[in-house]
Amino acid sequence: NAGVTQTPKFQVLKTGQSMTLQCAQDMNHEYMSWYRQDPGMGLRLIHYSVGAGITDQGEVPNGYNVSRSTTEDFPLRLLSAAPSQTSVYFCASSYSAATGDNSPLHFGNGTRLTVT
Amino acid sequence: AQSVAQPEDQVNVAEGNPLTVKCTYSVSGNPYLFWYVQYPNRGLQFLLKYITGDNLVKGSYGFEAEFNKSQTSFHLKKPSALVSDSALYFCAVRVSNAGNNRKLIWGLGTSLAVNP
Repeated sequence: NAGVTQTPKFQVLKTGQSMTLQCAQDMNHEYMSWYRQDPGMGLRLIHYSVGAGITDQGEVPNGYNVSRSTTEDFPLRLLSAAPSQTSVYFCASSYSAATGDNSPLHFGNGTRLTVT
Repeated sequence: AQSVAQPEDQVNVAEGNPLTVKCTYSVSGNPYLFWYVQYPNRGLQFLLKYITGDNLVKGSYGFEAEFNKSQTSFHLKKPSALVSDSALYFCAVRVSNAGNNRKLIWGLGTSLAVNP
């Protein structure tokens, strides 16, 4: 059981380039989300999804797009990379998206992105 | 504003000694509280949660946490620290009326160093 798989592990981009961070989970989880982790800032929610075809913005959505065409996959797209997007990105999922559900988040191992 | 505070950036403890990692919160509504651990170059892993009921919650790897409503705290504890417990620890809270966005409020993390 692989859990949450993120690719790539590392990426270097130049300002203005675009790329997609991949996230896949094999646990049939309803809820999926993307966080960025920056020193001194903790974890900040970028986008989330409560099921296939349903996405919504988190705290810091600007510069990022997401889609959820299947239950398993939740890619994060950087449209035009900026140095401020240098960060470690984590995908996380949980079993249920139901209001009141408190099942824990399962995290991938992250993608370390550098934008020069 | 709702917030979570981890007042210590770093905690140092000798192997075999008890450890405490502190967390306090400020939210409206009933809180659901979580602890996660992050090992180097890995994603976060769920340790334990408090939803309701007994104020002392037991979790993975021998960790436990005590919910104190009057002090709005949820400190993480372990009776006897191991060198392998050295990691970054995050406290998070979700309010019971948060709706369907599963939004968690995260602390900034506490780095735990257990010295042999």
